[in-house]
Order: sequence, then C-alpha cells, then structure tokens
Amino acid sequence: GENVEQHPSTLSVQEGDSAVIKCTYSDSASNYFPWYKQELGKRPQLIIDIRSNVGEKKDQRIAVTLNKTAKHFSLHITETQPEDSAVYFCAAQWTGANNLFFGTGTRLTVIP
Amino acid sequence: DAGITQSPRHKVTETGTPVTLRCHQTENHRYMYWYRQDPGHGLRLIHYSYGVKDTDKGEVSDGYSVSRSKTEDFLLTLESATSSQTSVYFCAISEERASYEQYFGPGTRLTVT
Repeated sequence: GENVEQHPSTLSVQEGDSAVIKCTYSDSASNYFPWYKQELGKRPQLIIDIRSNVGEKKDQRIAVTLNKTAKHFSLHITETQPEDSAVYFCAAQWTGANNLFFGTGTRLTVIP
Repeated sequence: DAGITQSPRHKVTETGTPVTLRCHQTENHRYMYWYRQDPGHGLRLIHYSYGVKDTDKGEVSDGYSVSRSKTEDFLLTLESATSSQTSVYFCAISEERASYEQYFGPGTRLTVT
C-alpha cells in the first residue's frame, strides 16, 4: 500500500508570514493528493486537492504543488491569519485504490 | 456540512464489551469509510464500503467488523473492546472513489476502560 510522510509535525508562524507543509509518498502510481484542515474538536474538511496531471493549483491564499519525479507535494499558505491555526493532513490515493492514505498531520499555529 | 451523522457522539465502555457505532448519511453517496484518529498517527482507515453489502478492509481492521445493509447506514462493531481501541472514530462518505472529496462526520469519542 501507500505510505505518506508529512513534515513538520508542528509549525508556528507569525501572522502575515507564509507556511509550508511537505508530504512525500511512496507509490509512484498515486494520482490524487488532497489536503484536509481540522480545527480543534471539529471534523476534517477538504481545503484543496491536486491530481497527477497538474503541477500546481491555487485557491486564494492556498496553493499546492506536486513534484511527481521526487514523489512529494506541498501545501503553501500565504498571508497567514489566526483562523488558519489548525491541524493539516495530506493524503494520497494510488490508481485503482478505493481509499486514501493520510499523513500524520501538521499542527499549524499562527501567532497574532 | 454534508448530511452525515454519527451516533453515539461519546461512549465509555469496559474492556471486553461489544460496541457498535453508527454512521448515517442522507446524501445517497456510494462510498462510506470508517477511520480512527490517534495522536501521532493521523487518520487510519479501518474498513470501507463501496455499496450495500460490499465492504473491504483498511490498514487497521483487526478487532473491527462492519456492515452495510442500507445505502444510508454503515455500522462499525468492536466485538470485544480493548483499551487500544480508545480513539476518536470518524465516518466519511464520498460520491465515488476516494479521488472525490470525502465528507467527514462529526466523530465519536470512544473510551475503553
């Protein structure tokens, strides 16, 4: 099966700075890479995703990049705000699978 | 939030007792999933279903069984609960395969004493 590693496990940034979270995956056949945000005590929610035929995708202050050769993908948050504070999970799905494999999460704290 | 609920939301039980968690959806989505969430491990798949009576194991299925007799309900059963099964359990649904957005339920916090 797939193995997804996520770094760092914790990240603190000053409000207005950028935050970057990186994930690597093991199965070169993986083709779908979503990112979920989980606020304290809440359910995970999808914030952005990317497929293997695309190298980068942006949605306002959030962007995801994918490097298929190196088998890693990253979440970029610009102009961070206190409400960005949460745990972020990356995930990967390899072709033919019915399920996602999640990373272990990154706790992002944005300091006002 | 998508129409997905979990019951109970909190449960405390003793080691060795059977426990059933229920996931109910009103979206008519084909796929349903059970995850457990533990510190340092993220979300790990227990079992999933791709249709009525169609289920398959995930990466941490030992000690768990599931059933899906109706599109809207997916049950997770711990036949004989152990302390290692203390966790937060999330149900999720997706319209099609995992490469579509998964919508998560509110979670069930289970404590096995």
